[in-house]
This record gives sequence, structure tokens and C-alpha cells, in this order.
Amino acid sequence: DSGVTQTPKHLITATGQRVTLRCSPRSGDLSVYWYQQSLDQGLQFLIQYYNGEERAKGNILERFSAQQFPDLHSELNLSSLELGDSALYFCASNPGYTGELFFGEGSRLTVL
Amino acid sequence: AQTVTQSQPEMSVQEAETVTLSCTYDTSESDYYLFWYKQPPSRQMILVIRQEAYKQQNATENRFSVNFQKAAKSFSLKISDSQLGDAAMYFCAYSLRTYKYIFGTGTRLKVLA
Repeated sequence: DSGVTQTPKHLITATGQRVTLRCSPRSGDLSVYWYQQSLDQGLQFLIQYYNGEERAKGNILERFSAQQFPDLHSELNLSSLELGDSALYFCASNPGYTGELFFGEGSRLTVL
Repeated sequence: AQTVTQSQPEMSVQEAETVTLSCTYDTSESDYYLFWYKQPPSRQMILVIRQEAYKQQNATENRFSVNFQKAAKSFSLKISDSQLGDAAMYFCAYSLRTYKYIFGTGTRLKVLA
């Protein structure tokens, strides 16, 4: 158990809909990362937050947005969903230095 | 460009044998961390081993060890006495002082009984 909690674990929805994925980092970790992994693909970096502020942005679509709240949990919002958004979405956290990332179990999104 | 290259999309190893997964990376920075993550069929990302770039000694974790060649920007993972539970996708990655993490595309390891 990495200590990073992601909900929901599985989500099935229709095209055009909007979903919110939630992440609770490890206790004490200030930094949260979001990654997207499509089937049999590598990890695509979406966005990073540190102590409530956006620190880095990757190839995140305009239809996607995220935030980190004062209690350090983070949410990833995906809107106007398309079939191609079906993927495993990982949240990872660390204390804020360049050590390893601790990953949650992921949220598996299926868009029908 | 900051990249990680895993040139072996798939590898196979006999149970109890040794296998080495290759990884090369490109960065102009001198201070960084290197990692190998394992992703079994459950798709959980599990840290296998980490290496600080300033340390010359190669990291080891039980049956897992690395061969870190800083000048060559090479960071290979050796798995000794392979077990069926080692079957997974393995990702090489590094992190920079800018808190950026770069992942490779992965190597799928099959362990044959």
C-alpha cells in the first residue's frame, strides 16, 4: 500500500459526459502528479501541483482540468469525454523533492 | 531533449535465470534520480529500485540490481533468479531538480516456467 488513495477505482460513462477523479496523497506529501495511461501505453504526464499551486503542466487537454485543495487532496476533472479518453489515470505524490513518486492504484475510466 | 529510451519492448527469461533490461536517458543536468518501476497485470505502479546520480555505487534491492553508467547515461536493471511474479511491464524513469519526471515507454518481461 503506497498510501495514495484514488477514487473511484472504476468508472464507466458515456461520450460527452463529465467525470471527476479524486486523489488523496500520502500523509505529509505536498506534491501531486496526474498521469494518463492508455492500454499498453506508457505514462503521459498531465499536471503537477505543489502545496495547492500548479507547478508543471504536460500534454493535458483543454477539456481536462485539475486542482489541489488546502487539505492537499487533488481532483482531476474530465469533460466532454471522448472514446479516446478511456484510460487508467494515476495520481502520484511525494513530499516535494526529487525522490521517488508514490502511485495510487489508479482510476480506470471507460467511455462508451 | 529530456528523454528515456527503453529499446527492448519485450523480453523473456526462464524461471531462475538472470535478465537485464536496458535503459538510456538524456539530460544535461548532473543532479538527478533514476528509478525502475514495475507494473504487474494489476497495473499498480511499484517502485523496484532507485539510484541517486551523485552516487557511484550501484543500487541493489535483493534480487534486483542496477548498472549505472553516468557518463554513458545508461541505467540497466538486472533481475537475478527470476520468478514468475517478476512478469510485468518495467518502466525506467528519472527525475530532475525541477521536479519533472521522465518515463520510458516500458519493457514487457515474460517469465517462462
